[in-house]
Amino acid sequence: SQTIHQWPATLVQPVGSPLSLECTVEGTSNPNLYWYRQAAGRGLQLLFYSVGIGQISSEVPQNLSASRPQDRQFILSSKKLLLSDSGFYLCAWSVDRVIYNEQFFGPGTRLTVL
Amino acid sequence: AQKVTQAQTEISVVEKEDVTLDCVYETRDTTYYLFWYKQPPSGELVFLIRRNSFDEQNEISGRYSWNFQKSTSSFNFTITASQVVDSAVYFCALSENNNAGNMLTFGGGTRLMVKP
Repeated sequence: SQTIHQWPATLVQPVGSPLSLECTVEGTSNPNLYWYRQAAGRGLQLLFYSVGIGQISSEVPQNLSASRPQDRQFILSSKKLLLSDSGFYLCAWSVDRVIYNEQFFGPGTRLTVL
Repeated sequence: AQKVTQAQTEISVVEKEDVTLDCVYETRDTTYYLFWYKQPPSGELVFLIRRNSFDEQNEISGRYSWNFQKSTSSFNFTITASQVVDSAVYFCALSENNNAGNMLTFGGGTRLMVKP
């Protein structure tokens, strides 16, 4: 069966510090991968998605970036965090096919920027 | 462009009451998929159901049931005999056919609070 991992689970970082959040998927090959952000009490905002190694599409311009160095690894980064980067970050995966395209989510990382 | 609207931002019920969460969508595609997710306080989104646009049969799974009405572009979710463990934020989502990356458009979510 497939599982998705995210770490760390929680993170408190000062403004201006770098960020690296990691997401890995097990039990599947060539998944589509996604990063979402959820501000407190708000809906989901898609940040990035990837359909393959090294292929990243950005949905929202910001000071965040994403990379996919391996087939089942997706990393969210920032060189300098802003207060507005605080939120709950969710990684998700889906099977790379047209139908039955539900996404499955990881446990999330709660980021607080002080 | 596709859009999903969950007009109810928050619903509060007492345990054992039935509750319906509304979802209205907009799309120009004739082939699309609709989803419901549950987000409990722990934060992880849990996939509940997928429906494709050609299947308007209502579905029941235990205390959960879904009513898909193409004529009104709605995909409503009913919980029968609600329980405290049903307290969560529920998201409705839409995916159009042939969209690169299988991206989902989410509604804003409905927070359900079930009181004992």
